[in-house]
Amino acid sequence: AQRVTQPEKLLSVFKGAPVELKCNYSYSGSPELFWYVQYSRQRLQLLLRHISRESIKGFTADLNKGETSFHLKKPFAQEEDSAMYYCALSPGGTYKYIFGTGTRLKVLA
Amino acid sequence: DADVTQTPRNRITKTGKRIMLECSQTKGHDRMYWYRQDPGLGLRLIYYSFDVKDINKGEISDGYSVSRQAQAKFSLSLESAIPNQTALYFCATSDTTGAEVAFFGQGTRLTVV
Repeated sequence: AQRVTQPEKLLSVFKGAPVELKCNYSYSGSPELFWYVQYSRQRLQLLLRHISRESIKGFTADLNKGETSFHLKKPFAQEEDSAMYYCALSPGGTYKYIFGTGTRLKVLA
Repeated sequence: DADVTQTPRNRITKTGKRIMLECSQTKGHDRMYWYRQDPGLGLRLIYYSFDVKDINKGEISDGYSVSRQAQAKFSLSLESAIPNQTALYFCATSDTTGAEVAFFGQGTRLTVV
């Protein structure tokens, strides 16, 4: 079954500390993986996608096919990073998006 | 960014009532989706449409129906609302290029009492 697992419902870190939001997926083919972010009272928006291998707002994520993971990382958390983060999988050729349950990141001053 | 617009933004309705949530987009995308968001459950796909004549059930379609009136419009209906359909509903679109990025509406908060 195709599935996205985000094991942490809530992650609290202090400002300036490193952040890692975990995402594991279950899919036998070549996945398209994304991180979406939802700030308070705003719509979900794309943060980054694995295919572009870019860094957005200091966040990076590397696809590890051996561990079937796509963890989101940032070396120094900022208070404005506080938000809900969703990992999403688009199984190749289906054009659907399977979301994880989300991780709420709280960055403490 | 009003590329994907949902109406209404908030709605309270009574059990058993029929309600329609509307989504319109100006992005020119063929693919449209309806998701519901529940605390601890993330986003779950209700229905999706790849063009006006193509409608597909998602993982939680029971109790819902949809209508794709035009490329730009995709409506979600609850034929007889029940309290466990209380949730935040999101419409999304994506294009047919290789990027496969989804663009979301602002959400509709529906409460069934």
